[in-house]
Amino acid sequence: AQSVTQLGSHVSVSEGALVLLRCNYSSSVPPYLFWYVQYPNQGLQLLLKYTSAATLVKGINGFEAEFKKSETSFHLTKPSAHMSDAAEYFCAVSSSGGGADGLTFGKGTHLIIQP
Amino acid sequence: GAGVSQTPSNKVTEKGKYVELRCDPISGHTALYWYRQSLGQGPEFLIYFQGTGAADDSGLPNDRFFAVRPEGSVSTLKIQRTERGDSAVYLCASSRDRGWTDTQYFGPGTRLTVL
Repeated sequence: AQSVTQLGSHVSVSEGALVLLRCNYSSSVPPYLFWYVQYPNQGLQLLLKYTSAATLVKGINGFEAEFKKSETSFHLTKPSAHMSDAAEYFCAVSSSGGGADGLTFGKGTHLIIQP
Repeated sequence: GAGVSQTPSNKVTEKGKYVELRCDPISGHTALYWYRQSLGQGPEFLIYFQGTGAADDSGLPNDRFFAVRPEGSVSTLKIQRTERGDSAVYLCASSRDRGWTDTQYFGPGTRLTVL
């Protein structure tokens, strides 16, 4: 069984500040991990994914995440927040790289950017 | 090319009615997934098709839910005897093939409201 816990349903940061969105996972097999972003009235868009290559994964829009097996974490960061980053962010886990089974998502974190 | 499309974008129905939700995957994508996203929650996996066959339907909540993909392209999610608890956004995703690291691309969803 797999599960994802996202700490903080809402995170507020100032424009230009560091963004840190937390994700912890539980998996009985080596996990594959994903971060998706959802803008209002749009579909989920993949930000980045970890598929057991490099533990530090760089994604689109300046986001990156680091897989830490000892902490069962896959936190998402961005050095400097932009107003356009305001959205809902979902962490997800899979037992495959995403192309062979359904993803298990966390409940999401709503990122608010303060001007 | 075009992304995943879903129709209708909104569907309002009455308790007990039958509804069909349609998903058009990205052209050439052989894998197709359905998810359900309730308010304030992350997407929940329902069913996964590889070609015409359902490879994993373990997420379907009960036998009122059924999905088909007769020609390996368009898929229809069918809900019989709808209940108020079925109200949610139904998301469809597709991926290129059964590759281990293929990315799932999501559509904008169909918002179903059961009165």
